[in-house]
Amino acid sequence: GAGVSQSPRYKVAKRGQDVALRCDPISGHVSLFWYQQALGQGPEFLTYFQNEAQLDKSGLPSDRFFAERPEGSVSTLKIQRTQQEDSAVYLCASTPRGQSTEAFFGQGTRLTVV
Amino acid sequence: GNSVTQMEGPVTLSEEAFLTINCTYTATGYPSLFWYVQYPGEGLQLLLKATKADDKGSNKGFEATYRKETTSFHLEKGSVQVSDSAVYFCALSDTSGTYKYIFGTGTRLKVLA
Repeated sequence: GAGVSQSPRYKVAKRGQDVALRCDPISGHVSLFWYQQALGQGPEFLTYFQNEAQLDKSGLPSDRFFAERPEGSVSTLKIQRTQQEDSAVYLCASTPRGQSTEAFFGQGTRLTVV
Repeated sequence: GNSVTQMEGPVTLSEEAFLTINCTYTATGYPSLFWYVQYPGEGLQLLLKATKADDKGSNKGFEATYRKETTSFHLEKGSVQVSDSAVYFCALSDTSGTYKYIFGTGTRLKVLA
């Protein structure tokens, strides 16, 4: 596709529910990042993939968060047993390769946990 | 660790006013520096970037210079327009291997006609 696509755009989950957020990066992009943006804050790094390998997951806030990119393209961020503090916009970004080039961001998924 | 500090908003200006949004950083190595903009209801878009000291990034009338001696990357525009109203994020690219971005908290700009 022309850009990074994320779905759903909005998700309301009841506390304790599991959610799955999808990211379709730009075709051919090697690197994929997930960020969490709380209201009024800048995005914060969650995890990084190079192709299908998850090379850095140091930003995942707890073991309830899990990400995968099994075929090196589409990625899914899963949050188990959601809690209110998980409410945020989840951003996906991709780059052609693991260098300091421009990261292309999706529009994000706004997760609200009620 | 690496970090980015940018001036708090909101910043409210009249159309055609001069804009400065301050950004300073702390980093090991030689990171690349970026300004991203987020218009209402839209995703993050790259505004400009600089990859080494003394580089000047520019786009759409905005510019910023990578100042290693002051560890700064201030965003400037000579004459703002109502359409520039948005949230601006300063960021650096971590050089530790993943090249993940570290963002500032964002500065909301409101330009009045």
